[in-house]
Amino acid sequence: ETGVTQTPRHLVMGMTNKKSLKCEQHLGHNAMYWYKQSAKKPLELMFVYNFKEQTENNSVPSRFSPECPNSSHLFLHLHTLQPEDSALYLCASSQVGDSYNEQFFGPGTRLTVL
Amino acid sequence: QKEVEQNSGPLSVPEGAIASLNCTYSDRGSQSFFWYRQYSGKSPELIMFIYSNGDKEDGRFTAQLNKASQYVSLLIRDSQPSDSATYLCAVGSYGGSQGNLIFGKGTKLSVKP
Repeated sequence: ETGVTQTPRHLVMGMTNKKSLKCEQHLGHNAMYWYKQSAKKPLELMFVYNFKEQTENNSVPSRFSPECPNSSHLFLHLHTLQPEDSALYLCASSQVGDSYNEQFFGPGTRLTVL
Repeated sequence: QKEVEQNSGPLSVPEGAIASLNCTYSDRGSQSFFWYRQYSGKSPELIMFIYSNGDKEDGRFTAQLNKASQYVSLLIRDSQPSDSATYLCAVGSYGGSQGNLIFGKGTKLSVKP
């Protein structure tokens, strides 16, 4: 286990449900990231938060809504998802600033949208 | 557009052989280079990083960096079936206000007993 935890580890939801993914990092980092990884596809960067401020949103549909209340916690709120949103959602953290920016990943949430 | 290119594989090597994984990158200003290992259904795990030209060894793993050629590689000596995984190359910068890494699509390695 790394210093980044994610809950839940598995989630099955219907297209009309609302759910949230949670990420917590215990590494003292100041940046957190959400990635999507679909089957046989590369990592897709979704959102970046540096010092709790969102600095990147890679054209992600509005049915995904991130929240970063502090530098240790990151949420991804989900609503009215589509079956093609089924994927592994990964959270990562890094120390931005005087560093080489190595990122550490959580175990991921396997999401299935029915 | 900053890009990181990797051969998707699969790369198949016999147990005990040397596996060689390669990566090229487009941004000449890149300063940090990482190799992540990802087992099927699991999250990426950082296994090696290199910042200076040359070789860096850690156990059975050796990372090699050639900034002039914009090329980074990972050698795995005495490959084991447990090394079978997808290896992701990632490239970034030092410092700044953005910690984003550019990831390659990964090379799938299969080590045959």
